[in-house]
Amino acid sequence: QSALTQPASVSGSPGQPITISCTGTSSDVGSYIYVSWYQQRPGKAPKLMIYEVSNRPSGVSNRFSGSKTGNTASLTISGLQAEDEADYYCSSYTSITTWVFGGGTKLTVL
Amino acid sequence: QVQLQESGPGLVKPSETLSLTCDVSGGSISSYSWSWIRQPPGKGLEWIGYISYSGSTNYSPSLKNRVTISLDTSKNQFSLRLSSVTAADTAVYYCARGQGYEFDFWDQGTLVTVSS
Repeated sequence: QSALTQPASVSGSPGQPITISCTGTSSDVGSYIYVSWYQQRPGKAPKLMIYEVSNRPSGVSNRFSGSKTGNTASLTISGLQAEDEADYYCSSYTSITTWVFGGGTKLTVL
Repeated sequence: QVQLQESGPGLVKPSETLSLTCDVSGGSISSYSWSWIRQPPGKGLEWIGYISYSGSTNYSPSLKNRVTISLDTSKNQFSLRLSSVTAADTAVYYCARGQGYEFDFWDQGTLVTVSS
């Protein structure tokens, strides 16, 4: 199985929205709602931000939202804040009952 | 609130077996699924495998010939064994709880270096 495809980096100014894409195949992202997103700050463990494409765990800001069209899922952060600067990873369940991650996207807040 | 704590050697020799244990506190291991995930230095996350509360397992196709994950419900812990390691297995290893189809709790991670 190949890693999901994410842009290596995205950037935005405070207050602006940004979107990170995550492209898979019909064997993973395209076939399941089980896409999740994780935020990882330097030296820290990943933190779950979105699950099942668009659901937020308790405590996650409503500035974070998720969506999916076909084989591509997206994470949108509205009203960008300095604290959002981190690496972001998508993950999907697959047709062979495994999980696959994206390569990660480094978000820079300008 | 569930907490995960890893233990195991931080240095393993090439060709030997990497062994890590994850202790689960604040909740029973006899629910959910439990995964191992790793991250080579400066690189992305890689799912290694999981074990369900009932003991069924599944592994990454790229690692399945070398990986074993086991569960000890009496000790509320689960373990990873990765055999025949090489320098490419050097990574931060995370244990994580699977809630549904996502990973909702992670430990802080342990750097395991493969070197002679």
